[in-house]
Amino acid sequence: SYELTQPPSVSVSPGQTASITCSGDKLGDKYACWYQQKPGQSPILVIYQSNKRPSGIPERFSGSNSGNTATLTITGTQAMDEADYYCQAWDSSAVVFGGGTKLTVL
Amino acid sequence: EVQLVQSGGGLVQPGGSLRLSCAASGFTFRSYWMHWVRQVPGKGLVWVSRIKSDGSSTDYADSVKGRFTISRDNAKNTLYLQMNSLRAEDTAMYYCARDSVVVTALDYWGQGTLVTVSS
Repeated sequence: SYELTQPPSVSVSPGQTASITCSGDKLGDKYACWYQQKPGQSPILVIYQSNKRPSGIPERFSGSNSGNTATLTITGTQAMDEADYYCQAWDSSAVVFGGGTKLTVL
Repeated sequence: EVQLVQSGGGLVQPGGSLRLSCAASGFTFRSYWMHWVRQVPGKGLVWVSRIKSDGSSTDYADSVKGRFTISRDNAKNTLYLQMNSLRAEDTAMYYCARDSVVVTALDYWGQGTLVTVSS
């Protein structure tokens, strides 16, 4: 079965750039998307089709996807961005999530 | 405003059954695929199942195949997950989510409902 691998944790200082990676076999040939989940809340879609932002998502969130790696980039990270982030792709008829990355802003 | 309001969680004994519901509003429910995703507290998201807009096609994760059944009532704008032969490892928060073919992602999520399987 298809697998997506994320680092368990990433730390960033306020105002700096955070990058969260997601690796999977030939992931660049698929659409990747990213979800943000804060404690006690449901996930929110922040990036779809690898590099597009839904309405209402700040411009500091961006995405890329090439080769075997998709990347979520947060430019000018704010304290409110501290959350768990999950990548997701499609494998035939199933949805696959990465294991999640806890982003700490300190 | 798109809303997905879930109900039906709770405590159930191993081997028991439970049905989750997800009431949709604010969009044309019959036009969208829908999914169930679960999350063990403190762990990651795991996909469970999906159903086509007209209910004619379903898919399941191997871990629930043969025990869980996803269904929908487009007249009532409601999604269901019938869970049978429940195991301790099915304990999790369960989310319903809308699948937007336009964005090829799960663009709206319910608030979640907790299922606890324990004796």
